[in-house]
Amino acid sequence: DTGVSQDPRHKITKRGQNVTFRCDPISEHNRLYWYRQTLGQGPEFLTYFQNEAQLEKSRLLSDRFSAERPKGSFSTLEIQRTEQGDSAMYLCASKGLNYEQYFGPGTRLTVT
Amino acid sequence: AQSVTQLGSHVSVSEGALVLLRCNYSSSVPPYLFWYVQYPNQGLQLLLKYTSAATLVKGINGFEAEFKKSETSFHLTKPSAHMSDAAEYFCAVSDPPGGTSYGKLTFGQGTILTVHP
Repeated sequence: DTGVSQDPRHKITKRGQNVTFRCDPISEHNRLYWYRQTLGQGPEFLTYFQNEAQLEKSRLLSDRFSAERPKGSFSTLEIQRTEQGDSAMYLCASKGLNYEQYFGPGTRLTVT
Repeated sequence: AQSVTQLGSHVSVSEGALVLLRCNYSSSVPPYLFWYVQYPNQGLQLLLKYTSAATLVKGINGFEAEFKKSETSFHLTKPSAHMSDAAEYFCAVSDPPGGTSYGKLTFGQGTILTVHP
């Protein structure tokens, strides 16, 4: 069990650029979640996968956001045409058969 | 819809004093409740969870929480604060298995705990 990993840890991009984040869950965890956390707030749910199927998306996930989990392993979250309001910490978590979600260290996005 | 309210965005205690972080929830079904801790620039670490078994839940680092259905509360306590407890704490709720929001966590806004020497 090596834990949930996320890459990159930090990303600075200019407004209008596309960015992609990667999350590697704990192996054999079938559920993977993405959350967004802005300064001074708790994490907010964005979307989740059970294996390779994306089962729910939050209203927070605009058309500029897309997430994938090919083969039910790692997941990517892409933001197209970034805006300053997209600046946040993007957290990934995975969950197996118990009730606990294990979080990665997050990717901090800064849009200038 | 579920929601979590954490009373007090900042709590300050002296080292050795009691820690009490308040959490109230709203849920249309019997909830599962969690407390997470977050250190600066890090992800969240689970402290403890309530999953409809014992109402008094013990977690890591000496923390515990009590589920009180009548008060819709799940307050976090620790008898004696350490300097290393300084961090941000989040209360979260999800549906139990079979619920529409099972597994999806709804978080409170967090409480920053400061521990003074």
